[in-house]
Amino acid sequence: DTEVTQTPKHLVMGMTNKKSLKCEQHMGHRAMYWYKQKAKKPPELMFVYSYEKLSINESVPSRFSPECPNSSLLNLHLHALQPEDSALYLCASSQGSSGSFNTQYFGPGTRLTVL
Amino acid sequence: SQQGEEDPQALSIQEGENATMNCSYKTSINNLQWYRQNSGRGLVHLILIRSNEREKHSGRLRVTLDTSKKSSSLLITASRAADTASYFCATVLYQKVTFGTGTKLQVIP
Repeated sequence: DTEVTQTPKHLVMGMTNKKSLKCEQHMGHRAMYWYKQKAKKPPELMFVYSYEKLSINESVPSRFSPECPNSSLLNLHLHALQPEDSALYLCASSQGSSGSFNTQYFGPGTRLTVL
Repeated sequence: SQQGEEDPQALSIQEGENATMNCSYKTSINNLQWYRQNSGRGLVHLILIRSNEREKHSGRLRVTLDTSKKSSSLLITASRAADTASYFCATVLYQKVTFGTGTKLQVIP
C-alpha cells in the first residue's frame, strides 16, 4: 500500500470555527509533513514530524496546530483562521531518518476555503 | 531562502517532442527531487538524484545535477499528452524540503 489518504477532500469554514484535517499512511514511514499550497504556487513546508516528534515548524501561526497521535496518523487542527489561509493543504510521508529525507509520498490534499 | 527557481515558467510543445525544465537553487543540498502535479491534486514523485550523482535516468526521464552551478535539469523525451502537468524540483537538506517555483508543461496532441 503506497497510498497517503487525506480527509476531508474539501472543507469550508468560518473564521470562528474549529476544524481538523486528517492524514493517514500505512507504509511504515516515520516522517510526515504538512504543506500549504496556494493557487499557481509551489507547496510551502509547514511542519515535519519525525518519529512522532515535531522536528520542523516553519514559523507557522499558532492558529494551525499539528498533532501526530501515532506513526500512521497526522492531524492539523485549525482555529480562528483567516480568509488568506484558504489553500490546498497537502500531507506527505517518507521513510525518514535523522539525515537526508527520501522520496515523499503525497496525499491528494484538502481544499480549504475560509469565509 | 532555499527556494529554487525553475525555468521556463511555462512550456508548450507538440506530442513527440522533448521537454527540458531547469531548476536553480541557492544553498547546499543532500538530494534533489522532481515531482509532477496535475491540476489541484497531490504531487507524484518522479526521480531523486543525490548530491554526489551527476545524472540519472528513469524511463523517458533524464535528470542532471551540477552542484557547482547549483542547478538541475529534467528532460522528458518523446512527450505525450498525458505528460501535461506542473513539474517541481525540490531540494532536500537534512529534514528541510523546499520546492521550486515550478514549470507548467502543456503537451499538444
